[in-house]
Amino acid sequence: NAGVMQNPRHLVRRRGQEARLRCSPMKGHSHVYWYRQLPEEGLKFMVYLQKENIIDESGMPKERFSAEFPKEGPSILRIQQVVRGDSAAYFCASSRLREGRNEQYFGPGTRLTVT
Amino acid sequence: DQQVKQNSPSLSVQEGRISILNCDYTNSMFDYFLWYKKYPAEGPTFLISISSIKDKNEDGRFTVFLNKSAKHLSLHIVPSQPGDSAVYFCAASPYNTDKLIFGTGTRLQVFP
Repeated sequence: NAGVMQNPRHLVRRRGQEARLRCSPMKGHSHVYWYRQLPEEGLKFMVYLQKENIIDESGMPKERFSAEFPKEGPSILRIQQVVRGDSAAYFCASSRLREGRNEQYFGPGTRLTVT
Repeated sequence: DQQVKQNSPSLSVQEGRISILNCDYTNSMFDYFLWYKKYPAEGPTFLISISSIKDKNEDGRFTVFLNKSAKHLSLHIVPSQPGDSAVYFCAASPYNTDKLIFGTGTRLQVFP
């Protein structure tokens, strides 16, 4: 029973390049969340998606960041024209589609370094 | 504005004793609370959760207590084991959304 998968685990980009982070949820999970952790801080919510829908993007920076969860394939977090301040660990989580409140299960994260 | 606060950055406990990790929150709209454990270079691992309609939830060595009037929750680990050494994050979710608001974490060290 595979958990949440993220790739790549490590990504190095120069300033101005694009970064694409991928997340495959756990089997049977249809909700995907993205969080960012800056050094020495807690995780910060970015965006919540279901298949083909963005449900809550209140934590996404207004520019350069976008996310999608297509009908087929993984969820993608895309950062255009990266800057040094984008260097962080990006975590994806998934949860089931069911009534009530559901715990989120996290992937191992992608560590983005912008040089 | 830190809505979920873990005021103790670190805690050291002897093996076999109880570990108590604390968390305070400010937002009255939170109705679901979770604890996660995190090792370096890994994602957070879900431990235990509690709904605001309860004041206690237990799962093996882990018990979470919720005091709504004080806006305080705690995680008890008993008995503590060296493998419990990790950073523990408290998280809360408002009633009208599934997003999680995390605290800054408490680093627990369990020594023999």
